[in-house]
Amino acid sequence: GAVVSQHPSWVICKSGTSVKIECRSLDFQATTMFWYRQFPKQSLMLMATSNEGSKATYEQGVEKDKFLINHASLTLSTLTVTSAHPEDSSFYICSAPKAGVRSSYNEQFFGPGTRLTVL
Amino acid sequence: AQKVTQAQTEISVVEKEDVTLDCVYETRDTTYYLFWYKQPPSGELVFLIRRNSFDEQNEISGRYSWNFQKSTSSFNFTITASQVVDSAVYFCALSEAGFQKLVFGTGTRLLVSP
Repeated sequence: GAVVSQHPSWVICKSGTSVKIECRSLDFQATTMFWYRQFPKQSLMLMATSNEGSKATYEQGVEKDKFLINHASLTLSTLTVTSAHPEDSSFYICSAPKAGVRSSYNEQFFGPGTRLTVL
Repeated sequence: AQKVTQAQTEISVVEKEDVTLDCVYETRDTTYYLFWYKQPPSGELVFLIRRNSFDEQNEISGRYSWNFQKSTSSFNFTITASQVVDSAVYFCALSEAGFQKLVFGTGTRLLVSP
């Protein structure tokens, strides 16, 4: 099956620093990718839709200037958490849809997630 | 607006018991997709099943089975003869046709003890 990778798998940083998380589709191209955030023992919440060649679409309540998304190529989207604070500590998961071969449905493939801890 | 409700926060069973995880959804669309994912302690989501709104047939895959009922907007998941390895958080999710983003339920934590 298709593979989506994330890097790093975990990161610890000091408050006020910026952290970049990469999401790559390894064997298919994705013009769209999705970024989700999951706080401990909570559900996954969509943060934004990353669009190759255009601006990301953010969900209500997500700060665009804090969570910078860049869809640099058809296989790479990056999420940068700027001036991170302890409340940004969370599990960040990306997903990328791959066109179905036998159906019109685009299968979603999730990355393994990145655990961010801000001290 | 879409919404997925998993009323069971945590379920504890003993190995070999059957367990059903409930999922109720809300959507205004006539075409949509429903999903179940497993999230073990590692955090990585494991895809279990996708069902489209036009396919109400129940599905069985090994010890797993799913009951989709549009009349009650439910998509319940049953594990037969549970095993310790089934311990995880299980998420039910919904997406509208044409949109690829998922709306997740709050998850049900399943603890299977030996």
